[in-house]
Amino acid sequence: AQSVAQPEDQVNVAEGNPLTVKCTYSVSGNPYLFWYVQYPNRGLQFLLKYITGDNLVKGSYGFEAEFNKSQTSFHLKKPSALVSDSALYFCAVSTRGPNAGKSTFGDGTTLTVKP
Amino acid sequence: NAGVTQTPKFQVLKTGQSMTLQCAQDMNHNSMYWYRQDPGMGLRLIYYSASEGTTDKGEVPNGYNVSRLNKREFSLRLESAAPSQTSVYFCASSGLAGGLTDTQYFGPGTRLTVL
Repeated sequence: AQSVAQPEDQVNVAEGNPLTVKCTYSVSGNPYLFWYVQYPNRGLQFLLKYITGDNLVKGSYGFEAEFNKSQTSFHLKKPSALVSDSALYFCAVSTRGPNAGKSTFGDGTTLTVKP
Repeated sequence: NAGVTQTPKFQVLKTGQSMTLQCAQDMNHNSMYWYRQDPGMGLRLIYYSASEGTTDKGEVPNGYNVSRLNKREFSLRLESAAPSQTSVYFCASSGLAGGLTDTQYFGPGTRLTVL
C-alpha cells in the first residue's frame, strides 16, 4: 500500500527566511509526487510535481521541491518566505499497480509565516 | 472556464436525511474524484471514476454512493446521513489521458453538517 507522511503538523517561519515543509512516502515501484496548497475555505491548488528526470522540481509562487529516492523524501522549499505563503500544504503520491489512478494524501502541514 | 464547480456550498442535515452533492468540470477531464477532509486526517478518497461509465471505491466508501452521469458530472449521494459524515467534501478532476501523472483540479468544497 502507498502512504505519505508529513511529520510536522505546523511549521512557523519569519518572513524572509527560508522554509521547508517535509514529506516522506512509501510506495512499491516508482513514485509520482505532488504538492498542493490550500488557503482558508478554498479547494486545493496544485504547486508542483515530480514525475521523472531532474530531482529538483520548480513550481508556482517560487516554491521548489527535491526528490530524494534513497531517503524516500520530497520536501517542499522556498528560499524566502512571504506572509502570503501562510496556508495548509499537502503532499501526495501515486504509483502504478492496484492503486493506479488513486493518489494518497498526507495529513497536511500548516505553514505560518510571521512578519 | 469555471474549472470544477460544486453545489451546494453549505448544507445542514438531520440524521437519516438524504442528499446529493453535485460536481461538474468543464476541462474535458476523464477522471473525477470525491474526497472528504476532516481535521488532522488530510484528504481521504471516497470514490473515484477513472472514465465515463466507471466508478470505484476509495478508502472510505461506506455510507456513500456515486454516479458518473456523463463526462462532465460526478455526483455523491448520502442515502441516510449520520453525524460521522459531518465533513468538508471536495470534488476533483484530472487528466486528458487519465494517467497517473495528472494534476488534480479541485472544486471549492461543500461543508456538510449532520445533526
